Amino acid sequence: TQLLEQSPQFLSIQEGENLTVYCNSSSVFSSLQWYRQEPGEGPVLLVTVVTGGEVKKLKRLTFQFGDARKDSSLHITAAQPGDTGLYLCAGGNNQGGKLIFGQGTELSVKP
Amino acid sequence: KAGVTQTPRYLIKTRGQQVTLSCSPISGHRSVSWYQQTPGQGLQFLFEYFSETQRNKGNFPGRFSGRQFSNSRSEMNVSTLELGDSALYLCASSLLMADTEAFFGQGTRLTVV
Repeated sequence: TQLLEQSPQFLSIQEGENLTVYCNSSSVFSSLQWYRQEPGEGPVLLVTVVTGGEVKKLKRLTFQFGDARKDSSLHITAAQPGDTGLYLCAGGNNQGGKLIFGQGTELSVKP
Repeated sequence: KAGVTQTPRYLIKTRGQQVTLSCSPISGHRSVSWYQQTPGQGLQFLFEYFSETQRNKGNFPGRFSGRQFSNSRSEMNVSTLELGDSALYLCASSLLMADTEAFFGQGTRLTVV
């Protein structure tokens, strides 16, 4: 059974700080997605990474896919209160199965 | 391009009743997956439909069922509701494979009293 472990589970920081969220597995994935979810809403897709070692940037967010395609990280620079939310990673194998989700990281950025 | 649309957004039902939730995927997407999200359990996969056929199923009791129509719209049904069924139900739309890029609807918040 494929599993994705996210860490940390909870993160509370001050505005302006940097942070990194990790998503790790012992299994290889063909692609990995990162989502952000606000309370009572559906997850919003932030990025998809498919190549080992790939780095994608979305404004202050930097996403990296591990060389072996077993892990990924999300780094936020100079966090803002608007970054508050639940961050989810999800891995897939493009084989007609299902996405495997991590447990999520609850981020709170205080002004 | 319109996103994934789920209706209704909120629902309050009584124990023992049944409920039907609806999901319209992104135009052209043929795979629709359903998830249950609760604070303690996170996102749990219910089932996935592709071309009107259930292709994958999670570990939920038979009270949870679904279907997909020829236009890719999907419905899920929960019969004999229990208090523990209170959750945010999410629908995700993918082009062809559920285990690739998925786009979520806003969800239906179901409260069972």
